[in-house]
Amino acid sequence: GENVEQHPSTLSVQEGDSAVIKCTYSDSASNYFPWYKQELGKRPQLIIDIRSNVGEKKDQRIAVTLNKTAKHFSLHITETQPEDSAVYFCAASNANRDDKIIFGKGTRLHILP
Amino acid sequence: DTGVSQDPRHKITKRGQNVTFRCDPISEHNRLYWYRQTLGQGPEFLTYFQNEAQLEKSRLLSDRFSAERPKGSFSTLEIQRTEQGDSAMYLCASSSSPGGYGYTFGSGTRLTVV
Repeated sequence: GENVEQHPSTLSVQEGDSAVIKCTYSDSASNYFPWYKQELGKRPQLIIDIRSNVGEKKDQRIAVTLNKTAKHFSLHITETQPEDSAVYFCAASNANRDDKIIFGKGTRLHILP
Repeated sequence: DTGVSQDPRHKITKRGQNVTFRCDPISEHNRLYWYRQTLGQGPEFLTYFQNEAQLEKSRLLSDRFSAERPKGSFSTLEIQRTEQGDSAMYLCASSSSPGGYGYTFGSGTRLTVV
């Protein structure tokens, strides 16, 4: 089955700087890659997703890139703000198989003042 | 509230007791998923329903775990003879699209086994 690896497990960046979180997946048939943000004590919430037919997607300060050949995808957050502090999870699924989402272990992002 | 509802929010139980959690998905969502999340980890898939049919169960779901979704609406997850290792957040998600599109998570049930 699918296995999603995520790095780093913890990331601290100065407010205003950029943050990058990287993930790899094992199943080459995976074609849907969502990213979730989970604040302390709250539910995971979808912040951006990408499908395998595109290489990059951007939404204001966040962007995701996908390299299907290398089976890598990354989350980029620019101009970080204190409210970006949270745990971020990458995930993968095969929408063609009507599959469930498999999550990475998460990255705890700290935005330093 | 049109979101995914989970009940109870917190449950403390003694080892060996049975517990049952409930999830009410968004009404038009026919897919319902259960995940378990332990501290510092990502959600781990447990089981998945499409309407009332349980389509997949993870190997994580031992014989002590059972899930149902009668009539394809709400779902229950029961854990029999709880163990300390069952302590976790149990998350429910629902969607109307295949393959993980549009997952909406509930707030979860935090289980503590003492």
